[in-house]
Amino acid sequence: QVQLVQSGGGVVQPGGSLRLSCAASGFSLNSYDMHWVRQAPGKGLEWVAFIRSDGSDKYYADSVKGRFTISRDNSKDTLYLLMNSLRADDTAVFYCATWYTSYAFDIWGQGTMVTVSS
Amino acid sequence: DVVMTQSPLSLPVTLGQPASISCRSSQSLVHSDGNTYLNWFQQRPGQSPRRLIYKVSNRDSGVPDRFSGSGSGTDFTLKISRVEADDVGVYYCMQGTHWPPQTFGQGTKVEIK
Repeated sequence: QVQLVQSGGGVVQPGGSLRLSCAASGFSLNSYDMHWVRQAPGKGLEWVAFIRSDGSDKYYADSVKGRFTISRDNSKDTLYLLMNSLRADDTAVFYCATWYTSYAFDIWGQGTMVTVSS
Repeated sequence: DVVMTQSPLSLPVTLGQPASISCRSSQSLVHSDGNTYLNWFQQRPGQSPRRLIYKVSNRDSGVPDRFSGSGSGTDFTLKISRVEADDVGVYYCMQGTHWPPQTFGQGTKVEIK
């Protein structure tokens, strides 16, 4: 079964750090460009970050630039999101996902909740 | 950044009736390669999103043919020919032409009357 399995969410204090993981199951991650997308409670979807299949390109939303780092370990079929200097407005469900822009294919993780609160 | 504006934001529909969601972008979504990277996503209650439509009108695998996408330039539409109970959820348009960032619309909540 092809799926993305996420882990690493939780409660963290403002200014703290957290690392999210997203492991591919049933397929190899190394051929796929990957995204992180988040959803604040009761709100819509917000694209957060992107990494090319080989890790050569990385892009971020302005709201997280300089605080979040996307990375991957293709030998472990795992995607990461390191989040530093967390703020209350980072509270959200974070999804890892991959989709082809020109072909019928997309896979999303189950989502992981990140709560930033003192 | 490209702003995506959806309407309506709430759409009560009778089972078996059609539904239509509009999405407008703040600039043309035609890419320099000639393609228009406009996607539609569905998020059912309590679930992760899934893509329904890519490049304006192409259905993803497993998407029922009652879903269709159309439009060009800055104006796009998602239509459901006959709404079923399984279609309840929030629908988002998203542009992948001018990025980063890839930008989503605010979402349209489809519910059964």
